Amino acid sequence: ILNVEQSPQSLHVQEGDSTNFTCSFPSSNFYALHWYRWETAKSPKALFVMTLNGDEKKKGRISATLNTKEGYSYLYIKGSQPEDSATYLCASNFGNEKLTFGTGTRLTIIP
Amino acid sequence: EAEVAQSPRYKITEKSQAVAFWCDPISGHATLYWYRQILGQGPELLVQFQDESVVDDSQLPKDRFSAERLKGVDSTLKIQPAELGDSAMYLCASSSPAAGAYEQYFGPGTRLTVT
Repeated sequence: ILNVEQSPQSLHVQEGDSTNFTCSFPSSNFYALHWYRWETAKSPKALFVMTLNGDEKKKGRISATLNTKEGYSYLYIKGSQPEDSATYLCASNFGNEKLTFGTGTRLTIIP
Repeated sequence: EAEVAQSPRYKITEKSQAVAFWCDPISGHATLYWYRQILGQGPELLVQFQDESVVDDSQLPKDRFSAERLKGVDSTLKIQPAELGDSAMYLCASSSPAAGAYEQYFGPGTRLTVT
């Protein structure tokens, strides 16, 4: 069984503060790591896809890093805004197309 | 931006009734996926199609669930009879080899409540 785990399960952050959360995954047979943002009543939207050890990706105030040797990825949000409130899902492909998802981190930004 | 369409968005049904969900993937995407997300868990793959053929349905409860993609475009997922434990979000996604790294594009989901 290939487990992808995310922590914390939920997080409340004051507007303007920075935050980060973790996705851990088995490093064997790793192919790609995906981060999705899922706002209430909307479709999950892809934030990043990372494949190489040491990859760092950035989109505005959000960035992510990848360590495939130790099996983890971090997602960082700098200067949180109310529109960042969402569930952040990570998922991994292990040598095939099938995505294995974590349980998500539910982020709430407090104005 | 092209999106995956799903309907209905919400469905309430009584147990033992039949229910069906519809998905229209992004045009040109040959691969279509149905996921189920139970509250507190991550999405779990139920079935994967490549064009009109089933590639993986190992997690589909085949005694009550069925899925089809007759013309290799849109797809229907059916549950008959529905059980209380089927209450969940049902997500559809599609992908294309051109997207790379098996990137999947999701619809907004159908929230099913079985009473």
